[in-house]
Amino acid sequence: EVQLVQSGAEIKKPGESLKISCKGSGYNFTDYWIGWVRQVPGKGLEWMGIIYPGDSDARYSPSFQGQVTISADKSISTAYLQWSSLKASDTAMYYCARPYTSGWYPFDYWGQGTLVTVSS
Amino acid sequence: QSVLTQPPSASGTPGQRVTISCSGSSSNIGGNNVNWYQQLPGTAPKLLIYGKNRRPSGVPDRFSGSKSGTSASLAISGLQSEDEADYYCAAWDDSLNAYVFGTGTKVTVL
Repeated sequence: EVQLVQSGAEIKKPGESLKISCKGSGYNFTDYWIGWVRQVPGKGLEWMGIIYPGDSDARYSPSFQGQVTISADKSISTAYLQWSSLKASDTAMYYCARPYTSGWYPFDYWGQGTLVTVSS
Repeated sequence: QSVLTQPPSASGTPGQRVTISCSGSSSNIGGNNVNWYQQLPGTAPKLLIYGKNRRPSGVPDRFSGSKSGTSASLAISGLQSEDEADYYCAAWDDSLNAYVFGTGTKVTVL
């Protein structure tokens, strides 16, 4: 069974750094892209970017380029989303998701989400 | 601000047919497949429709998708109480070089 398990909720202050994780299991982790999707509380879904764990090739939405870093460690079947300096506007639920085929989309498998709260 | 526009809300009584629209442009819906997701309260989104009106295993055939030009629609027939959720369309946008989601539609079962 394909599963994506994300790290737990985080409460951070503006300016702090953060790295959240998404561990895949039940499939060959290096064969499928993993994407990240943001959902601000009460708002819609936003595609942030995607990574191919096989060679760590990462692509970003223009809206998130330079704002976050997507990485992966294939040895432990884990993808990451990180910030170097958080802002209050980064407060959101973040989902990792895997496409149902070897392409970039659509997303058929989703993690449970990681809630990130940034507040002074 | 999303490039795919959906009505904020839709509603129907049990058993009715509800249709949700998704309006885009030639760079997204006009040239690429449209996907639909369902998000139940407090849960991760779930893929409902992909490709040319295909459903993942386990998705009831009450859900169907269609596309015409730069617009798409999701139809829910035989509406049930468990269909009360937020629904999002999505498509690849060739101009933005990004996967874009619609603004979302909240479906209420009256």
